[in-house]
Amino acid sequence: TQLLEQSPQFLSIQEGENLTVYCNSSSVFSSLQWYRQEPGEGPVLLVTVVTGGEVKKLKRLTFQFGDARKDSSLHITAAQPGDTGLYLCAGAAMKTSYDKVIFGPGTSLSVIP
Amino acid sequence: DTGVSQDPRHKITKRGQNVTFRCDPISEHNRLYWYRQTLGQGPEFLTYFQNEAQLEKSRLLSDRFSAERPKGSFSTLEIQRTEQGDSAMYLCASSSRGSKNIQYFGAGTRLSVL
Repeated sequence: TQLLEQSPQFLSIQEGENLTVYCNSSSVFSSLQWYRQEPGEGPVLLVTVVTGGEVKKLKRLTFQFGDARKDSSLHITAAQPGDTGLYLCAGAAMKTSYDKVIFGPGTSLSVIP
Repeated sequence: DTGVSQDPRHKITKRGQNVTFRCDPISEHNRLYWYRQTLGQGPEFLTYFQNEAQLEKSRLLSDRFSAERPKGSFSTLEIQRTEQGDSAMYLCASSSRGSKNIQYFGAGTRLSVL
């Protein structure tokens, strides 16, 4: 069974601080997505990483896919209150006939003004 | 097209009643997924359609749950004889073939079973 773990589970920081959240698995994924979800809404896609070692930047967010495609990290620089939300990583399974995606439990981020 | 839409956004029902949710995927997407999410957890896979064919069902999808996608466009998820444990957010997502597993989600239907 493929499992994704995320850490930390909860994070509360002051506006302007930097943070990193992690997504780990013992399984290899063909691709990995990061989503942000606000209360009462569906997850919104932030980025997809496909190649081992790949780094993608989205404004103040930097995403990295591990060399072995088993883990990923999300780094936020100078966090703002608008970054508050549940950050979910989702890995796409290898060798399946369809786009089966497994979600981690999420990191709940709260940025305090 | 504005994305995946789900209806209703909220549903409150009494235990034992049947409920049905609808999902309209992004129009050019042939793949459709249903997930269930409880508070503080990530979405859990329920079932998957490619066009009108239901290709996989999770063990989470008990006999009281049924999903359809009769014309390969919109989908419905029905829960019969609802139980309090069914209370959750039900999310629908869609993707297109060859999209590198990128799924786009609707806003979800929040079900509360009293």
